[in-house]
This record gives sequence, C-alpha cells and structure tokens, in this order.
Amino acid sequence: RKEVEQDPGPFNVPEGATVAFNCTYSNSASQSFFWYRQDCRKEPKLLMSVYSSGNEDGRFTAQLNRASQYISLLIRDSKLSDSATYLCVVNDRENFNKFYFGSGTKLNVKP
Amino acid sequence: DAGVTQSPTHLIKTRGQQVTLRCSPKSGHDTVSWYQQALGQGPQFIFQYYEEEERQRGNFPDRFSGHQFPNYSSELNVNALLLGDSALYLCASSSPYRGSMNTEAFFGQGTRLTVV
Repeated sequence: RKEVEQDPGPFNVPEGATVAFNCTYSNSASQSFFWYRQDCRKEPKLLMSVYSSGNEDGRFTAQLNRASQYISLLIRDSKLSDSATYLCVVNDRENFNKFYFGSGTKLNVKP
Repeated sequence: DAGVTQSPTHLIKTRGQQVTLRCSPKSGHDTVSWYQQALGQGPQFIFQYYEEEERQRGNFPDRFSGHQFPNYSSELNVNALLLGDSALYLCASSSPYRGSMNTEAFFGQGTRLTVV
C-alpha cells in the first residue's frame, strides 16, 4: 500500500466552481501535512500547510482528520489559473523529516 | 535569497553512461533530499543527506549515489543509465525537525534527464 494515495483525476470544472480533493495516508505516526501545487513540467511549490484545526487561505481550505488519516483541499470560485496538479504531502518528522508524496490530482478549470 | 538551485536544467545521456546532477539548498537549510518524478507520477524519494552523510534511502538501486559537501550543496550520481531513469530529478531542501515547527520542503526547478 502506498504511503499517500490520491485520486489522479482529472477534475474538469468550469470557472467559478467549487472543487474538493481528498488524500489518505497510511502512517499514523505522520505529523505534518501539506498541499503542493505543480504546474506542467515545473517543480512542486508549497500551496499550504494543513493544521489539525483546519486552515484557510483565501479561496483555499485544508482539513485534516487524523482519526481517518484523511486530508482534504477545497478550492472555491475556481480560476483558470488554478489549473495544475495538486500533490498531497505527508512528513514523517520522527523519520528525519522524510516527505511522502501522493501521485497528484490534476485539475483543469475551463472557461 | 536564491532558493534551491539545480544544474543542469536539461540533460540527454545515452544508456550505460553516468550522470551527475547538482543542487544548492536554500539559505539556512542543511538537509537535502533527492526525488525522482516520472511523467504523471508524484515525486519518489531517492535519499536524504544531512551533515554530509546519507541519512535515509528510498527503494532505489546502488546505481544511485550521492554526496553532500560542507557548504550543504549536494550531488546525485547515477551510473549505468537505463531508459527507465528518464525523469525529472528534484532536489528539496529543508531544515531538520526542531520542536513543533511545521517544516516544509522547498524544491529546485529540477533537472530533466532523458536517456536515449
């Protein structure tokens, strides 16, 4: 079983739509959680960290459910520029800060 | 702050050859990790260097080796290249875990290796 699993998509949504991505992780000892955004043929860039209480950054909301080992990302009012692959990342801080990546969920926002 | 820098950005090699990729971490970071990202896949952990030593290794053969220098920069070496080694190679730098800090990784732009 992979350490981090995501639906690969693609999610094809119209501009202005709300879209949600989910991610599950297998290691209950995981302690830090992130969403990264990766544009085609570019490096991943940090979108937001995910905190236990949930957190919001503008149109983006991240949630963590430790009991179910589940992370989510909600994007409201989608923009064309949101089209990218979103990577769920889990950090095992007990294991020398090793990062585990999901395979990514592709989002296409259409006009 | 230059962030994480990698060189070269693109490389074409022939099967059986050897390649060296280079990475300079973000200022203040002392931990460098290397990842291989095949097309359509998430990055896969190769290994991590800290204090000039390989601290952890993913499921990659011994053909993949590395080094970290006193200035924290790092090299990834791949010997006896195979067609399947064609991928984007990403270097990430981070600080070691300290207390409750949520330590994220910062990535370089990657080296796109094509093996023909």
